[in-house]
Amino acid sequence: DVKVTQSSRYLVKRTGEKVFLECVQDMDHENMFWYRQDPGLGLRLIYFSYDVKMKEKGDIPEGYSVSREKKERFSLILESASTNQTSMYLCASSSPTGDGFFNQPQHFGDGTRLSIL
Amino acid sequence: AQSVSQHNHHVILSEAASLELGCNYSYGGTVNLFWYVQYPGQHLQLLLKYFSGDPLVKGIKGFEAEFIKSKFSFNLRKPSVQWSDTAEYFCAVNVKTGRRALTFGSGTRLQVQP
Repeated sequence: DVKVTQSSRYLVKRTGEKVFLECVQDMDHENMFWYRQDPGLGLRLIYFSYDVKMKEKGDIPEGYSVSREKKERFSLILESASTNQTSMYLCASSSPTGDGFFNQPQHFGDGTRLSIL
Repeated sequence: AQSVSQHNHHVILSEAASLELGCNYSYGGTVNLFWYVQYPGQHLQLLLKYFSGDPLVKGIKGFEAEFIKSKFSFNLRKPSVQWSDTAEYFCAVNVKTGRRALTFGSGTRLQVQP
């Protein structure tokens, strides 16, 4: 069974801090994703990566960066945390298809609930 | 850019009632469509998906969805809900051109009362 592990379930940080959220998957998936989930807004894509050292911006990349140095690990970085980044952060992974779609099911981690004070 | 609309934000049903959750997307080309479910305290998991072929797709736990291309819709249905179906449901779309990742709707919270 695919396992996507996020390093923390709950995290509390202060405004201005640099915050690292870590995600590891054990299925050798090429694609990895970071979303934030907010009530009434659903899941919004922050960044995704389709290969090591490759990344693309999603819908709301401002204030975030990512790092993918190894295939199994995808890190989300809040450069200078702000209160409006308080949210649930979800990591996901999937295997690619050769037809240009990202249509393999995404496997999600349990999420990190991040509070910025 | 593609978008997904889920007009029902919060649905409350009694056990054994029938369920239909609406999902509309805005994209004129070829799409892949998904429904994901998030049970309380659990991670999101795939409920069902449509890629091509029969527009009526069946998923896990008795759920099904119908793709109606002319209406840009992919509504989720279940004939008789159970208390254990209480969860949040997300519709998602994937298109071949443009962004290569899923676009999710805002979600529908379903509450089933025993």
